Amino acid sequence: AQKITQTQPGMFVQEKEAVTLDCTYDTSDQSYGLFWYKQPSSGEMIFLIYQGSYDEQNATEGRYSLNFQKARKSANLVISASQLGDSAMYFCAMREGASVGAQKLVFGQGTRLTINP
Amino acid sequence: NAGVTQTPKFQVLKTGQSMTLQCAQDMNHNSMYWYRQDPGMGLRLIYYSASEGTTDKGEVPNGYNVSRLNKREFSLRLESAAPSQTSVYFCASSEARLAGIQETQYFGPGTRLLVL
Repeated sequence: AQKITQTQPGMFVQEKEAVTLDCTYDTSDQSYGLFWYKQPSSGEMIFLIYQGSYDEQNATEGRYSLNFQKARKSANLVISASQLGDSAMYFCAMREGASVGAQKLVFGQGTRLTINP
Repeated sequence: NAGVTQTPKFQVLKTGQSMTLQCAQDMNHNSMYWYRQDPGMGLRLIYYSASEGTTDKGEVPNGYNVSRLNKREFSLRLESAAPSQTSVYFCASSEARLAGIQETQYFGPGTRLLVL
């Protein structure tokens, strides 16, 4: 079974609009971490935002926020006021279990976001 | 700070050839990782090293070996390359001691490998 599911293979949004990228996860652990990464066409993986399973507040980082709904096991990324430079692949990833030693991440298949001028 | 660096950036191999992908980080992180990314897919963990002197298998270790040379360097070796190993390979590092944003993995620029 997929541990991370990103159901939107591609999304097209007008510049300056807000966009929500969906991510659902599957785990039986109480302690886990959720990450979003951006991969522009140049190929590098850029960390955007982190949400811990015990964090009571939704994470925010500039124009990025994470809509964390623990009971629904969803961790959607919200980008406000989208810009042309936001066009990229976006990956949701999860670290399961207690963070002792290395954290093994499981990635979703990604969503390709295209911002139209 | 360079962060995580990888060499080479691009490599073409023939089936059966061997090669080593190099990775180094200057963030004093304890843990290092190797992932592969196939077209249209997310990253999958090949091997990881929780700390200097230790290595463990990830999700897709077959056909690969790793060496944690010291705290900074973690190499990935393909002993006998196969076309199925054509992929983009990413190295990453993290500070693994604490949960929270500190555990974030930072990635190198990737190595594009083509096996003919």
